[in-house]
Amino acid sequence: TQLLEQSPQFLSIQEGENLTVYCNSSSVFSSLQWYRQEPGEGPVLLVTVVTGGEVKKLKRLTFQFGDARKDSSLHITAAQPGDTGLYLCAGAKRGTSYGKLTFGQGTILTVHP
Amino acid sequence: GAVVSQHPSRVICKSGTSVKIECRSLDFQATTMFWYRQFPKQSLMLMATSNEGSKATYEQGVEKDKFLINHASLTLSTLTVTSAHPEDSSFYICSARDLGQTNEKLFFGSGTQLSVL
Repeated sequence: TQLLEQSPQFLSIQEGENLTVYCNSSSVFSSLQWYRQEPGEGPVLLVTVVTGGEVKKLKRLTFQFGDARKDSSLHITAAQPGDTGLYLCAGAKRGTSYGKLTFGQGTILTVHP
Repeated sequence: GAVVSQHPSRVICKSGTSVKIECRSLDFQATTMFWYRQFPKQSLMLMATSNEGSKATYEQGVEKDKFLINHASLTLSTLTVTSAHPEDSSFYICSARDLGQTNEKLFFGSGTQLSVL
């Protein structure tokens, strides 16, 4: 059973469209992180959300942490081809070893020019 | 900012040989590092937690005799894939936590693509 359910797993859109990626769990997380990964590279941290209901913006990216800290979403406005990549959510459960993250399945985003 | 260096980035080896992968924290000390395995277009699966000066903690289903982890200093952890076989071919990634960071922050290496022939 996947602890963090990430959806959709694949997303293919045209440049300029908006999209949302979801990350859901039945477990509570002390924090949740979003990463972007290019092929052959390690994940790069985009944002960390800690407080329930928190919303963070990073240029065209908006991240939200659910009130109960069980879910999160990533919304991209006016997607660009440079946004193409694998997006991963990862949660840190309270009581686990610091830095021990559980990753969602990932969303492969392809933005066509 | 903090950087984690992983080496080699790519290795091709014959079946039965052992391969060592290094993970170094370049400008910070890391008492704990994590090793992940990733198959193409899939997510990261935690293999083990590497602790400086003590034995690594392995996740369920990961063979500790197959994947040897050594964390001999505060800046270096190594993963050795012993007697590698084609099914061990994968992308291996390490991460390290920065003790100096007040927030939960991990830094990832750039990964090692292992291909076993």
